[in-house]
Amino acid sequence: AQTVTQSQPEMSVQEAETVTLSCTYDTSESDYYLFWYKQPPSRQMILVIRQEAYKQQNATENRFSVNFQKAAKSFSLKISDSQLGDAAMYFCAYRAIQGAQKLVFGQGTRLTINP
Amino acid sequence: NAGVTQTPKFQVLKTGQSMTLQCAQDMNHEYMSWYRQDPGMGLRLIHYSVGAGITDQGEVPNGYNVSRSTTEDFPLRLLSAAPSQTSVYFCASSYLRRTNTEAFFGQGTRLTVV
Repeated sequence: AQTVTQSQPEMSVQEAETVTLSCTYDTSESDYYLFWYKQPPSRQMILVIRQEAYKQQNATENRFSVNFQKAAKSFSLKISDSQLGDAAMYFCAYRAIQGAQKLVFGQGTRLTINP
Repeated sequence: NAGVTQTPKFQVLKTGQSMTLQCAQDMNHEYMSWYRQDPGMGLRLIHYSVGAGITDQGEVPNGYNVSRSTTEDFPLRLLSAAPSQTSVYFCASSYLRRTNTEAFFGQGTRLTVV
């Protein structure tokens, strides 16, 4: 079975600085998707960024980018120029290409932004 | 755009009571699922459905029932609530046969069993 591990329960960063959230996963599949979701205090799950495993290029969405290391099964999220609105719980998630659309989530990292 | 609608947003139950969490989506998604979120454990899959009349168990199905009579609705039933079912519950939906499809989540239900 696939597993996703986020080893940082909490992280904090000064406003305007850069922070990196770590995620590792385990799978025997060669093709899959990886996601980062943001959950602010409102509880809403918001998709931040996605990566397709067959694409070597790292995904980027404005201030959010990933470092995808397929061989190491690592998928970290970098947030540049951190803003107060980035404070939230962040979840890393895995989904296989084949079969049902089951998402496997990591434990989450709570990010605090210090003004 | 309604998206995925979950009701209620908050609920307190007594041990042994039953209730149904409602989930509806208006995007014609084939795939629907229920997750529970507990501190330090992320979101774990309870049950899922790939279409009307088809359901299957996820990682933590015990104590929960589901049915899918229509494409739009996927209710989650707690038959006899237990304190261990205190959690935040999320419904999600997505297309099944499209690549790179995004999952859409409801706003969650915070359930407390006393």
